[in-house]
Amino acid sequence: NAGVTQTPKFRILKIGQSMTLQCTQDMNHNYMYWYRQDPGMGLKLIYYSVGAGITDKGEVPNGYNVSRSTTEDFPLRLELAAPSQTSVYFCASSLGNEQYFGPGTRLTVT
Amino acid sequence: AQSVAQPEDQVNVAEGNPLTVKCTYSVSGNPYLFWYVQYPNRGLQFLLKYITGDNLVKGSYGFEAEFNKSQTSFHLKKPSALVSDSALYFCAVRAVGYGGSQGNLIFGKGTKLSVKP
Repeated sequence: NAGVTQTPKFRILKIGQSMTLQCTQDMNHNYMYWYRQDPGMGLKLIYYSVGAGITDKGEVPNGYNVSRSTTEDFPLRLELAAPSQTSVYFCASSLGNEQYFGPGTRLTVT
Repeated sequence: AQSVAQPEDQVNVAEGNPLTVKCTYSVSGNPYLFWYVQYPNRGLQFLLKYITGDNLVKGSYGFEAEFNKSQTSFHLKKPSALVSDSALYFCAVRAVGYGGSQGNLIFGKGTKLSVKP
């Protein structure tokens, strides 16, 4: 199993641009999550999904959108990038209690 | 409010010495507690969890954690530290009602562990 994969690994965006962060898992997990990690702030939940077709907001959803058309994929969309969205983004999935994390996407908005 | 606190930003330990990384929590109901480790430029890796049962939980790489209900703590420990243990450690609690009824994780801010030879 590849586990949780994320693309791209790095990206630089200009203010106002849009992009999609890709996340795929091959463990047939129902639950998937998007977090952002800012220095000294731990991880904050952006959106999560309990299964295909079902998504819900986490703690910091503003400026982001998600979709879950399949069990495997959970893309995160930034529509109008802002400097405040400069962060490292982690996707995770779970079947039970433990979450499995992808390697992250480092995004810089300038 | 439900929360997790890691009071130390950094812990410095000499190789071979015991290490402790502290975590306290505040949550409604019975807590599900977790420790994750993050190596540089990597995602988080699961170390161990407490759901129920024995208060002393053993996990990966020789780590263990002790659940203390009266002190609402879940400190991470290892009897003999290795240089390769140097990483960022996160405590997390599963909080019912946070981010929806599914019970998502609330993470602490992380503690950087530095083990010197």
